[in-house]
Amino acid sequence: DIQMTQSPSSLSASVGDRVTIRCRTSETVRNYLNWYQQKPGKAPTLLISSASGLQTGVPSRFSGSGSETDFTLTISGLQPEDPATYYCQQSYKTPFAFGPGTKVDLK
Amino acid sequence: QVRLEQWGAGLLKPSETLSLTCAVHGESFRPFFWTWVRQAPGQGLEWIGEIDHTGDHTYNASLESRLTLSVDTSNWRFSLELTSVSAADSAMYFCARRHRSGRFDPWGQGVLVAVSS
Repeated sequence: DIQMTQSPSSLSASVGDRVTIRCRTSETVRNYLNWYQQKPGKAPTLLISSASGLQTGVPSRFSGSGSETDFTLTISGLQPEDPATYYCQQSYKTPFAFGPGTKVDLK
Repeated sequence: QVRLEQWGAGLLKPSETLSLTCAVHGESFRPFFWTWVRQAPGQGLEWIGEIDHTGDHTYNASLESRLTLSVDTSNWRFSLELTSVSAADSAMYFCARRHRSGRFDPWGQGVLVAVSS
């Protein structure tokens, strides 16, 4: 099975800060890497697919990059509505694993 | 716009069977995969398994011996059954649509399942 790691596990940032979250996989997933945002008590929502594809309706301050085993989610200017837990997920092969999550809150 | 609505029993006793159903509104079953994900309290997301409109399925090996996914194409629904539940199965269960590209979108609202004697 493909193992997923994310760093950091949590972070505090101020409004307007640039936030970077890293995701690594134990073997290549090519670009089959997706990013989700989850707020407490809610289902996850898709932000980025195929490593860098911004979903319709997602603000352009969110961006994704990377390939193979190393990926990054960037929020270029944290907004008050962005505190949440962010998960990466590989969809290259089953079982489709998620990263352990990165909790982002406001400083 | 597609929407997923899910329901099922929320409180079970150990050894009982967990049954959940997810209805698909506003979209055809084809050519997608219909998937289940769970999240234990305060924990991360665990992929359970998926099924397509033909009934072809893939299960997480950790649950395979207790898991059955099924599909009802006439009513645009898909279901999960997990037998012999224990406290370790207590979680929020989500259904979701998986695109061929791999992304999960959209998700159902989630059903909280608690297993307690």
